[in-house]
Amino acid sequence: ETGVTQTPRHLVMGMTNKKSLKCEQHLGHNAMYWYKQSAKKPLELMFVYNFKEQTENNSVPSRFSPECPNSSHLFLHLHTLQPEDSALYLCASSQDPGYGYTFGSGTRLTVV
Amino acid sequence: QKEVEQNSGPLSVPEGAIASLNCTYSDRGSQSFFWYRQYSGKSPELIMFIYSNGDKEDGRFTAQLNKASQYVSLLIRDSQPSDSATYLCAGYAGNNRKLIWGLGTSLAVNP
Repeated sequence: ETGVTQTPRHLVMGMTNKKSLKCEQHLGHNAMYWYKQSAKKPLELMFVYNFKEQTENNSVPSRFSPECPNSSHLFLHLHTLQPEDSALYLCASSQDPGYGYTFGSGTRLTVV
Repeated sequence: QKEVEQNSGPLSVPEGAIASLNCTYSDRGSQSFFWYRQYSGKSPELIMFIYSNGDKEDGRFTAQLNKASQYVSLLIRDSQPSDSATYLCAGYAGNNRKLIWGLGTSLAVNP
């Protein structure tokens, strides 16, 4: 496995469900990110982890709960989501943001 | 509020033409700039980054940076239908661990 791997690729969940998104990077990077991408909006940064410590929470509602057990793995735990949370959720990693990020393939989330 | 602005398009060019994508930024402290390509339903992929004033060429792609005018552009020569995608511009100021993103410009290359 190389690059940044996200699972699942697609997820449909009800508003009362609990689910988790998983991200794994095989690049030896020390920073990982969760982004939300909705139609006609810029990429929205949700969380930043550096060396598995959370360094940014961009005013994200508590129904989104990140977890970073080590520098290679990142989770996003979801519970009691709203239909407006439907979006593409992207994980990214970097060694030095000055050289850009590497994105995973994303999870297309639909909340019904 | 630090911003990166792009014309959302769509920009439509004929096959074989030069496509010119533009981006302006507000943070004068920005050091590096990135162009990502995103196909519909896919994740962004990095195609160019630039941090020095002037031009940087990679195959059919040329990135141009003018820090005095706070302006970044991407030229795609000999445009192909496979270049049809949304192009995202991003800047990095070096004082945190995150990029600032534009909304993206949709490019359509017509056969």
